Amino acid sequence: GENVEQHPSTLSVQEGDSAVIKCTYSDSASNYFPWYKQELGKRPQLIIDIRSNVGEKKDQRIAVTLNKTAKHFSLHITETQPEDSAVYFCAATTDLGSSNTGKLIFGQGTTLQVKP
Amino acid sequence: KAGVTQTPRYLIKTRGQQVTLSCSPISGHRSVSWYQQTPGQGLQFLFEYFSETQRNKGNFPGRFSGRQFSNSRSEMNVSTLELGDSALYLCASRMGVEYNEQFFGPGTRLTVL
Repeated sequence: GENVEQHPSTLSVQEGDSAVIKCTYSDSASNYFPWYKQELGKRPQLIIDIRSNVGEKKDQRIAVTLNKTAKHFSLHITETQPEDSAVYFCAATTDLGSSNTGKLIFGQGTTLQVKP
Repeated sequence: KAGVTQTPRYLIKTRGQQVTLSCSPISGHRSVSWYQQTPGQGLQFLFEYFSETQRNKGNFPGRFSGRQFSNSRSEMNVSTLELGDSALYLCASRMGVEYNEQFFGPGTRLTVL
């Protein structure tokens, strides 16, 4: 069935360092990949997403890369700051236009700790 | 625009009871999805509603049900509660079925005793 594997489960970095979180998906039909950030006790927030017709997307300090052949995608955070500390979730779904189901398959999450 | 809102934020029930959770999407959003979040299973899709119709359902028992009203607000119901139903229930809205971006509400924390 559909599955998204996410690694690592925890990640600790020094402020200013880069952080990389990797996800692998099983359904080759998946073509939309969002990333969510969830701070303790708060709602998941969409921080960046990528579609399968694009290999990389950047937004200030965050970027996402996609390798369709290998069926994996990664989140890159540069110049990390303490406020980046949170749980990050990757997800995958299949964009079928008007037949979209809205079903996101989530990875298990990565707890990122940025040490000052 | 106001974000997705959910009520109540916290709920304590006992086994065997039933519960109804409510979700109001972002104004103009017509699709609402529900997810269950637990430490062990992570975020799991429950179902999605659009135009008052359930479009897709995850692998949950029939005790979990939902509905959507004409103003796009949605409710989910869990009957005959079990201890394992304790979780954070999140809803997410999107503009329409042709849009991918989903925006989450703060969730309802359900504790079953």
